[in-house]
Order: sequence, then structure tokens, then C-alpha cells
Amino acid sequence: DSGVTQTPKHLITATGQRVTLRCSPRSGDLSVYWYQQSLDQGLQFLIQYYNGEERAKGNILERFSAQQFPDLHSELNLSSLELGDSALYFCASSVTRDPGSGNTIYFGEGSWLTVV
Amino acid sequence: AQSVAQPEDQVNVAEGNPLTVKCTYSVSGNPYLFWYVQYPNRGLQFLLKYITGDNLVKGSYGFEAEFNKSQTSFHLKKPSALVSDSALYFCAVRVITGANNLFFGTGTRLTVIP
Repeated sequence: DSGVTQTPKHLITATGQRVTLRCSPRSGDLSVYWYQQSLDQGLQFLIQYYNGEERAKGNILERFSAQQFPDLHSELNLSSLELGDSALYFCASSVTRDPGSGNTIYFGEGSWLTVV
Repeated sequence: AQSVAQPEDQVNVAEGNPLTVKCTYSVSGNPYLFWYVQYPNRGLQFLLKYITGDNLVKGSYGFEAEFNKSQTSFHLKKPSALVSDSALYFCAVRVITGANNLFFGTGTRLTVIP
């Protein structure tokens, strides 16, 4: 158990809908990351938040947005869903914001999203 | 730009034999290198990392990896494979002066045959 908690574990929704994925980081971790794992694109970094502020952006679509709340939990919002958005969405967390300390990023078990 | 290559999609090894899962990287600075494992229907579990110092790093479940700067490689190894090691293995890289996110390889599926 990494200590990173994600809900829901599985989600099935229709095209055009909107969903919210939730993540609680490990105790003491200030950075939260979202990754998407799909068969055709592998593991892709979406976005990082540190202590409530956006820190880095990856291949995140404009239809997707995220935020980190004062209690450090994070939500990933996916809207106008398409079939191609079906994937496993991982949340991860680490203590620090930057890589200089060599800190480890720990992953949750993911949220399986199926768009039908 | 950063990238990671895992040249083998699939590695099969007999139980009890040594295993190697290959990883090469390309970065424009000093790298931090990581191995993660994904069991069926589970998340990514951290195995080990290379930050600095000894080129041979030891991690969880008896795994180890050797950092080779001249060959830009970070191969994962285990002296004696177990059936329970069967999983999907990912190599990842992060640059010391870059953003904190990880760049992942495409993964290698390891199957240990009883």
C-alpha cells in the first residue's frame, strides 16, 4: 500500500459526460501528480500541483482540469468525454516540488474510466 | 528532451533463472532513474531508484539495477526469478534540474515460467 488513495476505482460513463476523480496523497506529501495510462499512449504525465498551486503541465487536454485543495487532496475533472478517454488514471504524490532531492513519487492504484 | 526506451515488450524467463529487463535513457542533463512494477489490476509500485553514488542499487523484492552512464542504461536484474515476479515493469527518468514529473518507458511484460 503506497498510501495514495484514489476514488472511484472503476467508473463507466457515456460520451459527452463529465466525471471527477479524487485523490488523497500520502500523509506529509505536498505534491500531487496525475498520469494517464492507455494502451496506445502508455503512461503520460498530465499535471502536477504543489501545495495548492499548479507546478507543471504535461499532455493534458483542455477538456481536462485539476485542482488541489487546502487539505492537499486533488481532483481531476474530465469533461465532454470521448471514447478515447477510456484509460487508467493514476494519482501520485511526493514530498517535494522539485527533483533535486531525488524524492520518490508514489502512485495510487488508479481509477479505471470506461467511456461508452 | 527526455526519453526512455525499453526495447523488449516481453521477457520470458524460467523460474530460478536470473532475469534482466532492459532500459536505456536519453536526457539533456544528469538523470534520476526509477523502476516501477505494475501487477494485474494494481497500481504502480516503486521498486528502486538511482540518484547518485554507487552504480548498483538494490530495491524491493530482491531486485537490483545497474546505472551505466557510458551506455546510458539502467537495466533491472534479479539473480533468481520467482513466478510471483510476473508483472509489467516500467523504467522512468527525471532530470535533476527539470520538472519533478517522471517520463516513462513503454513497459516490459515479464513472465516467469514455472
